[in-house]
Amino acid sequence: QQQVKQSPQSLIVQKGGISIINCAYENTAFDYFPWYQQFPGKGPALLIAIRPDVSEKKEGRFTISFNKSAKQFSLHIMDSQPGDSATYFCAATVNQAGTALIFGKGTTLSVSS
Amino acid sequence: DTAVSQTPKYLVTQMGNDKSIKCEQNLGHDTMYWYKQDSKKFLKIMFSYNNKELIINETVPNRFSPKSPDKAHLNLHINSLELGDSAVYFCASSRQGTGHEQYFGPGTRLTVT
Repeated sequence: QQQVKQSPQSLIVQKGGISIINCAYENTAFDYFPWYQQFPGKGPALLIAIRPDVSEKKEGRFTISFNKSAKQFSLHIMDSQPGDSATYFCAATVNQAGTALIFGKGTTLSVSS
Repeated sequence: DTAVSQTPKYLVTQMGNDKSIKCEQNLGHDTMYWYKQDSKKFLKIMFSYNNKELIINETVPNRFSPKSPDKAHLNLHINSLELGDSAVYFCASSRQGTGHEQYFGPGTRLTVT
């Protein structure tokens, strides 16, 4: 049973466009929802995170929108750039010592120039 | 300075062999993790340690044994390697209370032939 569902699996966006990746979760005990970015041959790196008591969080061109009642959250990348081409993972966790990140299956984003 | 380092980066070995992957973090974090990323890029938790104490031990074959000699190190030993163990293994660490913000190592690509 997949606890965090992510879509789409892959995404092609033109330079300057908006990239949107969606995730849904099941477990209401989750209290933190981070997004990780992974470039080929590298480890994932935290991009931005949100708590469920906030509906939106913005950091530069990256915005998380959170809908607690629908148990859904999404990542928006504004003015997408070729350098944004990477795999993006949504995740969920309970912020306790040693608790794991539960990842979605990832979205491979390609931004064409 | 590398925050989370892993050795080796690549590991090619034959079925039935025993191998180890080492992980070190210089961030002063209390919690360390091992994740497995399969060929479809799906990331899944294997183990987590908090202050050298095992917290999470997912349904991983007991051929996999983590060892944490101190808070800065978490090694992974794998016995009797099988073809299905081929994957990229990531070590990660986090500060206590901020489990959503994990710092990942560069990964170890294990190939079992």
